[in-house]
Amino acid sequence: AQTVTQSQPEMSVQEAETVTLSCTYDTSESDYYLFWYKQPPSRQMILVIRQEAYKQQNATENRFSVNFQKAAKSFSLKISDSQLGDAAMYFCAYRSRGGSEKLVFGKGTKLTVNP
Amino acid sequence: DTAVSQTPKYLVTQMGNDKSIKCEQNLGHDTMYWYKQDSKKFLKIMFSYNNKELIINETVPNRFSPKSPDKAHLNLHINSLELGDSAVYFCASSLTSGGVRETQYFGPGTRLLVL
Repeated sequence: AQTVTQSQPEMSVQEAETVTLSCTYDTSESDYYLFWYKQPPSRQMILVIRQEAYKQQNATENRFSVNFQKAAKSFSLKISDSQLGDAAMYFCAYRSRGGSEKLVFGKGTKLTVNP
Repeated sequence: DTAVSQTPKYLVTQMGNDKSIKCEQNLGHDTMYWYKQDSKKFLKIMFSYNNKELIINETVPNRFSPKSPDKAHLNLHINSLELGDSAVYFCASSLTSGGVRETQYFGPGTRLLVL
C-alpha cells in the first residue's frame, strides 16, 4: 500500500520570504500523480498544484512550485514571496493512475506566516 | 457558483441517532468520493462511486451507507451514530478522461459532532 509522509508538523515563514514543505512517499508503482492541497481555517480543501510522475519537468503555479525527485520519492512544495493568505494546513497526496484511484494523504503541515 | 456542495455544513446530534449528509456537484464529473478527516486532521477515503456504481469501499463500519441516485449526487447515511464518528466529512468529485480519473475537487466539508 502507498504511504505519504510529511515530516514537518508545523512550519513558519516571514511574509515575503520563501518556505519549502517536505513530502516523501512510498510506492512500487511507476505511474501516478502527486498533489498538494491547502486547507485554510475555512476548512475548504483547495488544490494547489499537481504533478504527473511521467513528467520530468517540475510543476509550477504562480508562487508555488514543486521539486519532484522520482528516484528519491520526494515531492516538496516551495512557496515564494509568502503571503498572509498562505497560512493553512498543507497536505501532500498520492494517487495511482488507474485501479483504485483514491487519494492517499500525508498528515499535513501547518504553515504560519508571520507579518 | 458552487462546484461541489454539501449539506448540512454543521451537524450536531445525539449518540444512537441516524443522520444523512448530502453532496452534489455541478461540474459534470462522473466519479464522487467521501473522505473523513479526524480530529488530528488526518484525511482518509471512505467510499467512491463512478456513474452510480460503488468502486471504492474502504474498511468502514457498515453503519455507513453511501447512496448515489445519479452521477451528480452522492449521499452518506450513518446509522446508530457513535462518539467516534465525530469528524469532518468531505465530498469530492472528479472526471474520467481517457480512462483516467482526473483531479479531485472537494466540497466545503460537513462537521459532524456526536454528543
